[in-house]
Amino acid sequence: GENVEQHPSTLSVQEGDSAVIKCTYSDSASNYFPWYKQELGKRPQLIIDIRSNVGEKKDQRIAVTLNKTAKHFSLHITETQPEDSAVYFCASQKAYKYIFGTGTRLKVLA
Amino acid sequence: GAGVSQTPSNKVTEKGKYVELRCDPISGHTALYWYRQSLGQGPEFLIYFQGTGAADDSGLPNDRFFAVRPEGSVSTLKIQRTERGDSAVYLCASGGGTDTQYFGPGTRLTVL
Repeated sequence: GENVEQHPSTLSVQEGDSAVIKCTYSDSASNYFPWYKQELGKRPQLIIDIRSNVGEKKDQRIAVTLNKTAKHFSLHITETQPEDSAVYFCASQKAYKYIFGTGTRLKVLA
Repeated sequence: GAGVSQTPSNKVTEKGKYVELRCDPISGHTALYWYRQSLGQGPEFLIYFQGTGAADDSGLPNDRFFAVRPEGSVSTLKIQRTERGDSAVYLCASGGGTDTQYFGPGTRLTVL
């Protein structure tokens, strides 16, 4: 069935460094790829998304890239800050259905 | 405006009991999803409503799980004969015609 693989499962970076999280999806018909940030005990919050007709999207310190041929998409966070520490989930969507990755726990060390 | 709300925020029950979890979506949102999130995992799709009908319930793990949305707004997830393995956070999300879905805060279900 459809699945989304996400790596790494944990990531520690020094404050100010960049962080990259990668996802691979299996269904080539997927056409929408959101990223969510989830702080402990809180709801997932959408931070950025990309559609299949776009290769890259940027919003301040956050960017997402999509390689449809390889079925890869990645989240890039630059100039990381302690408040970026959270669990990040990627997802792929086909029609109405979302498949989530297993999450990356990001720790930004001050 | 108000976001997605879920009640209760926490539910502790005993094995074998029946529970109902409620979701109030964003007003006017026709799409509603239920997910289950176990510790250290991503949300797992359970069921999708478009309006009042369950368009896809393929994620419900077995026939002990059922969900309704009788008037196309509030939804209730019902779990019969709860088992310890049902313990998880149950998330609801709604969407208003675009791809974006908005999550509620979740209900943490603990089955003793």
